[in-house]
Amino acid sequence: EAQVTQNPRYLITVTGKKLTVTCSQNMNHEYMSWYRQDPGLGLRQIYYSMNVEVTDKGDVPEGYKVSRKEKRNFPLILESPSPNQTSLYFCASSLGGGLYNSPLHFGNGTRLTVT
Amino acid sequence: AQKVTQAQTEISVVEKEDVTLDCVYETRDTTYYLFWYKQPPSGELVFLIRRNSFDEQNEISGRYSWNFQKSTSSFNFTITASQVVDSAVYFCALSEAIRGSTLGRLYFGRGTQLTVWP
Repeated sequence: EAQVTQNPRYLITVTGKKLTVTCSQNMNHEYMSWYRQDPGLGLRQIYYSMNVEVTDKGDVPEGYKVSRKEKRNFPLILESPSPNQTSLYFCASSLGGGLYNSPLHFGNGTRLTVT
Repeated sequence: AQKVTQAQTEISVVEKEDVTLDCVYETRDTTYYLFWYKQPPSGELVFLIRRNSFDEQNEISGRYSWNFQKSTSSFNFTITASQVVDSAVYFCALSEAIRGSTLGRLYFGRGTQLTVWP
């Protein structure tokens, strides 16, 4: 089954403790991206990747890191999480060429709480 | 300034009513793409439609229809004869296709919460 898999689904952590949210897709998509969803703010793009080893900042990249060492995986790293990073996170992927002709396939989301 | 504006934060209707969700976008590009996504209470994001800037033809899919008007920079979504299962948050999104610094960027509106009462 074609899908984007995020793990974990729920995560509670403390300020400053490094964490990684994994994202994997099995559709051979070139484009992958991370979003955070906050009440009243919709979805905001954190980082995106057009292909392996190619990543770029979105609207809210501060406090986050990403890497794209292989096509299928696009982990989101919070080196020193803070309470303002408490949010619902979505990973997404789409076919090559960016978003031009293809919709995003989203993972099921990761609800992160930083205390 | 927001690139995608969904002015309606919440809409409530009674089943079988028609409802239109508004989306206004802002771009200087001539080539761009517009999308609608649905987020039901279960939380997943579901793709509904995409439209490129060169195709202003309106589209109908069952009870759903979309009205794209470049003159007013709007891409509105209408649900005819709404049902309780249509209750969800609906997001409009814009992708600007050919600009170096925004290549691959996707801008979402803040979403409209639609509640359909039985």
